[in-house]
Amino acid sequence: EVQLVESGGGLVTPGGSLRLSCAASGFTFSSYSMKWVRQAPGKGLEWVSSISSSSKNIFYADSVKGRFTISRDNAKNSLYLQMNTLRVEDTAVYYCARVIGDYPDYWGQGTLVTVSS
Amino acid sequence: QSVLTQPPSASGTPGQRVTISCSGSSSNIGRNTVNWYQQVPGTAPKLLIYTNNQRPSGVPDRFSGSKSGTSASLAISGLQSEDEADYYCAAWDDSLNGYVFGTGTKVTVL
Repeated sequence: EVQLVESGGGLVTPGGSLRLSCAASGFTFSSYSMKWVRQAPGKGLEWVSSISSSSKNIFYADSVKGRFTISRDNAKNSLYLQMNTLRVEDTAVYYCARVIGDYPDYWGQGTLVTVSS
Repeated sequence: QSVLTQPPSASGTPGQRVTISCSGSSSNIGRNTVNWYQQVPGTAPKLLIYTNNQRPSGVPDRFSGSKSGTSASLAISGLQSEDEADYYCAAWDDSLNGYVFGTGTKVTVL
């Protein structure tokens, strides 16, 4: 069974940093691209970043480019999102998702990031 | 901000057919396949339709998808109470070099 478990969310002040992790199991992690998608409270889904299986291809939404860094460790079956210079508008539930082709098929349960003073 | 436009809400009585539209552009729906997600509030999104009209294993055949030009649609036939949820279309956008989601449609079963 495919499982994705996010962790690392919490409360952080504006300008601060946070590192999210996503532990994958139930599939060959190294064979799949992965994405981070977020959802602000009461709002819709917003794609944040994508990384290919070998980390060769990485993409970011303009809203996070230069502040967030996606990475993965295939030996540890883990996906990461380093978030720096956080803003109030980055407050959201962050989901990691497995990718087939260009679309997410399985999603984790999400981890809440709150940016507030 | 979303680049794919959906109606904010749709509703129907049990057994009715409900259709949700998704309008995009030549850089996203016009060139790439469309996927649909169902999200019950408080839970993670679930893949409902992929590659325009394909259903993952376990998704009832009441759900169907289609695409024409720069628009797509999701149809729910034989609406059931458990179909109350938010629905999002999504596609890769070649101009943005990113994956874009629709604005979302809340389906209510009356």
